[in-house]
Amino acid sequence: DAGVTQSPTHLIKTRGQQVTLRCSPISGHKSVSWYQQVLGQGPQFIFQYYEKEERGRGNFPDRFSARQFPNYSSELNVNALLLGDSALYLCASSLGPSGPRMIEQYFGPGTRLTVT
Amino acid sequence: GNSVTQMEGPVTLSEEAFLTINCTYTATGYPSLFWYVQYPGEGLQLLLKATKADDKGSNKGFEATYRKETTSFHLEKGSVQVSDSAVYFCALARGGSNYKLTFGKGTLLTVNP
Repeated sequence: DAGVTQSPTHLIKTRGQQVTLRCSPISGHKSVSWYQQVLGQGPQFIFQYYEKEERGRGNFPDRFSARQFPNYSSELNVNALLLGDSALYLCASSLGPSGPRMIEQYFGPGTRLTVT
Repeated sequence: GNSVTQMEGPVTLSEEAFLTINCTYTATGYPSLFWYVQYPGEGLQLLLKATKADDKGSNKGFEATYRKETTSFHLEKGSVQVSDSAVYFCALARGGSNYKLTFGKGTLLTVNP
C-alpha cells in the first residue's frame, strides 16, 4: 500500500505570496493532520481534520488554513508568507481522530518551503 | 500545557554501544507516549509507542517503558548500528477529541563504525 504522499517536494516563494500544499492519506485513513517543523526543532501541530471537519487547531495565525476533501485528501494554505514560515511541512494520516487503535499517525515525507 | 523534554544532543556512539536517550513529559491525565525516528531527508516514522503506565514499547531492538511515577519514557537499545544514525523524537498525545502530537526537540544520534 502507498504511504502518505505530499506535493510538491520543495517550494520557493517570496514574502507576501500565498502557497498551497497537498496531502493524500493512506488508503482507508480518514483523519489528516498538519505539522510545521522548523530546522532543528520538533514538529508543531497546526491542524487536524476528520471527515472534512476541523477537529483541532494549534497556535498558528489565521494566515494558515486547511481543508479536507471527500476523498480525505487535504490542502494546507498559507497566505501573506513571512520569512519565518520557512520550514518542512508534514502531513500525517490516521484511521480516525481518537481512540487507542487510531492514535498511530503515519507521516509523509514533507514539503520543504523556503520563503525569500 | 503539555510538553516533552528530551536530552540534548548530539549523541555520538561507536557501533555496538549501548544507547539511552532520556525523555520526560508534562501532561494532565494519562497521555500516550511515542518515539519517532527521522532519517536524513525523510519524514517521521513511528518507532514504538506505549499507551498506559508500565507498558513497554519495543521495535527493531529499541525499547522504552512508560514510567508514570517519574513521567519518563527513555529510549534504549543494547547495541546500536551505523544504520541507526538519525534524529529521534519523543512525543505525547492526550486523549479527548483529537490526538495531536506534542514533540520534543529531537536528539541527533550518530553511530560510527
